[in-house]
Amino acid sequence: DTAVSQTPKYLVTQMGNDKSIKCEQNLGHDTMYWYKQDSKKFLKIMFSYNNKELIINETVPNRFSPKSPDKAHLNLHINSLELGDSAVYFCASSLGTGVTGELFFGEGSRLTVL
Amino acid sequence: QQPVQSPQAVILREGEDAVINCSSSKALYSVHWYRQKHGEAPVFLMILLKGGEQKGHEKISASFNEKKQQSSLYLTASQLSYSGTYFCGTAGGTSYGKLTFGQGTILTVHP
Repeated sequence: DTAVSQTPKYLVTQMGNDKSIKCEQNLGHDTMYWYKQDSKKFLKIMFSYNNKELIINETVPNRFSPKSPDKAHLNLHINSLELGDSAVYFCASSLGTGVTGELFFGEGSRLTVL
Repeated sequence: QQPVQSPQAVILREGEDAVINCSSSKALYSVHWYRQKHGEAPVFLMILLKGGEQKGHEKISASFNEKKQQSSLYLTASQLSYSGTYFCGTAGGTSYGKLTFGQGTILTVHP
């Protein structure tokens, strides 16, 4: 059983399209995250939810909208995709805030915008 | 603010040792270390909380100097499986402090 699972693993799409990535964790964690890893491997936090409440919202274009229907799920919707959105998006979860505990990462969703 | 890691890359032969450093300009509450292999997700290695403690995990250990806001990861008697990109992540002391990752150090171990 995969602890943190993301779908889809790969997305290839045209500029201007809208896409969604889904994430689910079965670890019973209360905090979930979206991280973006660019071509230079820089891993940058985008959002964090704790028990469905948004607690971290980095300087991310408002074309990116996260949604957490319950504490086991965190989805990411991206509108009007741009070339610069191409990256690997990692979902992660932790028990508590993640400051004092381990982050469990999903396998990543590689987004390619053409 | 992003912590700074050094060196950017290390090439080793099996059995050799390496040290990866992580430095922050902000007061830290915790330092995390992760390893990411090509095409895979980052995997947790260890976490150090303020207090200057040292932690160990098999032949990989780390230290945290709270006053200097620095951490070092020590890899001894390296194995081929140690190859990958190592990231330090740092967090301040607020309740919902975010984990900010360094730029990564690429470690390559050759036979």
